[in-house]
Amino acid sequence: QVQLVQSGAEVKKPGASVRVSCKASGFTFTSYDINWVRQATGQGPEWMGWVNPNSGNTDYAQKFRGRVTMTRDTSISTAYMELSSLRSDDTAVYYCAREKIGPYYGMDVWGQGTTVTVSS
Amino acid sequence: DIVMTQSPLSLPVTPGEPVSISCRSSQSLLHRDGYNYLDWYLQKPGQSPHLLIYLGSNRASGVPDRFSGSGSGTDFTLKISRVEAEDVGVYYCMQALQTPPAYTFGQGTKLEIK
Repeated sequence: QVQLVQSGAEVKKPGASVRVSCKASGFTFTSYDINWVRQATGQGPEWMGWVNPNSGNTDYAQKFRGRVTMTRDTSISTAYMELSSLRSDDTAVYYCAREKIGPYYGMDVWGQGTTVTVSS
Repeated sequence: DIVMTQSPLSLPVTPGEPVSISCRSSQSLLHRDGYNYLDWYLQKPGQSPHLLIYLGSNRASGVPDRFSGSGSGTDFTLKISRVEAEDVGVYYCMQALQTPPAYTFGQGTKLEIK
């Protein structure tokens, strides 16, 4: 079935980096942009950016530019989000979500979320 | 960035009642293609968000027809014609108009059963 499966929970120290993966199945990976959205406990979602699996092109929210890198490996239908220079306020659940390339249909499939905890 | 403001923030309801959630944007979400780039998402307890409505009024696949979206420009509404127990969770509006892309979400409206 159509799904996005994310990697497991991570615990990192301040200043470290984290990489979260998002594996697609059940659909054509290169037909959808992959967005990354994070959500701190008790807060609303926050959009971080997207990667186009076809071209590898990316666009990042200004807040994260310089600290985030989104990539993809089309051979295994997997997108990645790496966040560096982690701080305690990066502690959140990180989600990937697909968005059809072309006419807009919203972010219609989401991963299960990956909890990233930043603590010394 | 475009700021999204929802009201109310909390919504206690009785099953079978109709409800409305309002979402206002700081800038018009009407694109030159004629569509309003406004989505509604529901996040049930302990789950990922999932898409209910896209482009202001289009129900996503599998979404019951008791959910409807309306509005244009800066004012939008999500309506549930008859609330069911399974509808509990936090409802978010999100704008997808800004370019370069900078999608922004509202603060969320928590729907709970009385």
